[in-house]
Amino acid sequence: DGGITQSPKYLFRKEGQNVTLSCEQNLNHDAMYWYRQDPGQGLRLIYYSQIVNDFQKGDIAEGYSVSREKKESFPLTVTSAQKNPTAFYLCASSRDTGGWTEAFFGQGTRLTVV
Amino acid sequence: AQSVAQPEDQVNVAEGNPLTVKCTYSVSGNPYLFWYVQYPNRGLQFLLKYITGDNLVKGSYGFEAEFNKSQTSFHLKKPSALVSDSALYFCAVRDREGGYNKLIFGAGTRLAVHP
Repeated sequence: DGGITQSPKYLFRKEGQNVTLSCEQNLNHDAMYWYRQDPGQGLRLIYYSQIVNDFQKGDIAEGYSVSREKKESFPLTVTSAQKNPTAFYLCASSRDTGGWTEAFFGQGTRLTVV
Repeated sequence: AQSVAQPEDQVNVAEGNPLTVKCTYSVSGNPYLFWYVQYPNRGLQFLLKYITGDNLVKGSYGFEAEFNKSQTSFHLKKPSALVSDSALYFCAVRDREGGYNKLIFGAGTRLAVHP
């Protein structure tokens, strides 16, 4: 089945640790996105990428980093510089980079700082 | 930058009644508008989109949305609500910046359908 897979589903991070969230898609989509979801704030864009080896900062990129070495993969690293990382993280992809096709979302990773 | 607003945090409706979830937009140029639904602890699912053409757009699960340019609105509607429609609904708009395209979401509206 084609789709977008995020792992792990739940992740716990200690203070000062970096953690990496995985996002893989087998839809042959060009564009990929990372969003953060907090209660009552909707989805906020962290990073997005339209092509391999190229990505752009979204509205809340500070404390996060990404890479796009392969078309199907767009991992997100939450660094120790991110002061409030507890949130639900959603990865998405879309077929084209023009913005007129819908995005497909993964099932999300819930990150908790312990 | 483009934006969307969802003025209602929550909408309550009785099963079998029509439902409306509101969305207004602010864009320069032609808007590309989307509706998504999210069930608890899940990702978002696409419902429908407006790119161009007919102002009434039909989507998944019996939902439709009406694009109104004069009122800058894109309200989601369904003629007869089901309890299973209870979920979080997001309106989104394409934003184009520096040659790159991205989706900007509203804050979401929680729909509660009561038996």
